[in-house]
Parts: sequence; C-alpha cells; structure tokens
Amino acid sequence: DIVLTQSPALAVSLGQRATISCRASQSVSISRYNLMHWYQQKPGQQPKLLIYRASNLASGIPARFSGSGSGTDFTLTINPVQADDIATYYCQQSRESPPTFGGGTKLELK
Amino acid sequence: EVQLVESGGGLVQPGRSMKLSCAASGFTFNNYDMAWVCQAPKKGLEWVATISYDGSSTYYRDSVKGRFTISRDNAKSTLYLQMDSLRSEDTATYYCARHGSALGMDAWGQGASVTVSS
Repeated sequence: DIVLTQSPALAVSLGQRATISCRASQSVSISRYNLMHWYQQKPGQQPKLLIYRASNLASGIPARFSGSGSGTDFTLTINPVQADDIATYYCQQSRESPPTFGGGTKLELK
Repeated sequence: EVQLVESGGGLVQPGRSMKLSCAASGFTFNNYDMAWVCQAPKKGLEWVATISYDGSSTYYRDSVKGRFTISRDNAKSTLYLQMDSLRSEDTATYYCARHGSALGMDAWGQGASVTVSS
C-alpha cells in the first residue's frame, strides 16, 4: 500500500499563510496526472473535498486554498488563514488500490 | 444539491451483523462509483470498499474482505454495506462517498456510527 505521511499539527496565526505537506512512499503521478487529493474535516462533520488531482480547486472552495506538487511530495496552502479554516486536513492518493489517506494535519491557532 | 444520507448504525455485539444504507439524491446515481470510508474514534480516515457505477466490480480493504459486502440498488439510488462477523476494531463512523478515482471523493454523507461491543 502507498503510505502518505503528514505532520500531525501546524500552528498558524490568522491572516498568515499555512503550508501543509504530504509525502507519499512512492510516486502517485501517472503521466500528467497527479493523483493526490485534499480534504478538510471539522470536528463532528464529514470530510469535504478541497483539491483534486493535486492542484484543482473543488466546486465552491474559496480561492485562498491551493495545491501543488508531483511525484511523492505535495502541498496544500491556505493563504490567508481564516478562523473558519481551523480543522484537520487529509491527503489521499488514488494512484493505486487501495486508496489511502494520510494521518491528517490538525491546523491550530498560534 | 448532491445529498448522501446514511442510516442503519448503532450498537451491535461482536460476531453479529449490521447493514448500513446510504440514500443518494441530487445527481445521477448510476453514473458514479461509490465508496464507504470509516473513521475510528479520534482517528483518521480509512477507505473500506468501493463499488463501480453499475455494481459489476467491488473492491475491499484487506481487513474486511470476506466479512463486509458493498452493494447498490441503482433503481433506488441507494448504496449498502453489509457488515458480518463484526469485531470491536470495526467500531467507527462510516461515511458513504461519491468516488471518482481521478476526481477524489467529492461528496460525503454525514456518517453512521457503528459501535461493536458486548
């Protein structure tokens, strides 16, 4: 299985930039497709898709969210961070079955 | 508006069975693969199973193979998860999700809580 590694937590100040990383144990890219997706989950709520295929903003997601990366290293950026963004963020790969998730990064206020 | 609504969770004894349902609306259900994803208390997300748009193909994580069965009724726009021989480690919230492999899981239900305990 492809293992996705995320830092457990990240502390940021409101209005600043947050950069959340996800490293895969092997490449999750096929030709020009980077099969990495990002989700936001707030306490007591279901996950919500933010970014698909590494850099594509999902429907209804604010432009302060962006994604980048290829191969094994991917980044979710939130700029500027707002109070409503305090949540846990998960990466997920669909390059190989089984689809796997990272352990999640909890975004906290500094 | 895309909606996924799970039902059927609750408390069940180890070794017993439980069936979850997920009613879909707001989109053409039989055009999409669907998945179940679980989340144990205070833990991360874990994919459980996926079924193709027409039900012809199913995929499972190793720990549930032979115990769980994913199925769908396209006429009723409903997804199911039959869980047999339940174990304490199956305790989790189970989410149904619309699963486009190259598009991520772009719609999620609110989750159904399953507790396996004597």
